[in-house]
Amino acid sequence: DIQMTQSPSSLSASIGDRVTITCRASQSIGSYLNWYQQKPGKAPRILIYAASNLESGVPSRFSGSGSGTDFTLTISSLQPEDFATYYCQQGFNTWGFTFGPGTKVDVK
Amino acid sequence: QVQLVESGGGVVQPGRSLRLSCAASGFSFSNYAMHWVRQAPGKGLEWVAVIWFDETDKYYADSVKGRFTISRDNSKNTLYLQMNSLRGDDTAVYYCARADRRRFCSGGDCFDYNWFDPWGQGALVTVSS
Repeated sequence: DIQMTQSPSSLSASIGDRVTITCRASQSIGSYLNWYQQKPGKAPRILIYAASNLESGVPSRFSGSGSGTDFTLTISSLQPEDFATYYCQQGFNTWGFTFGPGTKVDVK
Repeated sequence: QVQLVESGGGVVQPGRSLRLSCAASGFSFSNYAMHWVRQAPGKGLEWVAVIWFDETDKYYADSVKGRFTISRDNSKNTLYLQMNSLRGDDTAVYYCARADRRRFCSGGDCFDYNWFDPWGQGALVTVSS
């Protein structure tokens, strides 16, 4: 099974900060990596698919990069509505999909 | 608009069964694979199961294999999750999600990418005596 790790597990940031979250796969997954945002009590929302493609309607301050085993989600200028938990997810294996443990972004 | 609505959650005793439903609307349900994903209280997301658009393939997480069954009725635009032999660690919010997809081609090679979108609002299942 492919294992996913994320770092950090949590971070504190201020409005306007540049935020970077890292996701690592236990084996190469090409670009089969997606990023989601989840706010308390709500369902997750897709932000980035296929490692670097911005979902329609997602603000351009979000971006994704990476391939193989190492991936990054970047928020270029943190906004109040961006305080949430972020999950990466691998879609390399069609018989099993794995999420990372999540990164909680809160107010400094 | 595209919408998924789960139902059937509740409190159930350990060892008993429960069936969740997910009603889909706003898209051609029979053209998409569908997933179940769960989230235990205060924990992260755990993929549970996937079913192909035509039911030809179904896959499960090891944690539910042999106890849970995913199915669908394309005539009713509805996805199901039959949960048997429930345990305390099955307590979670259960989300259904569509397998959205896109094909990228480069240099004659094409690759199909999938992600979860949209998600339902979730159904809480509590396993407790």
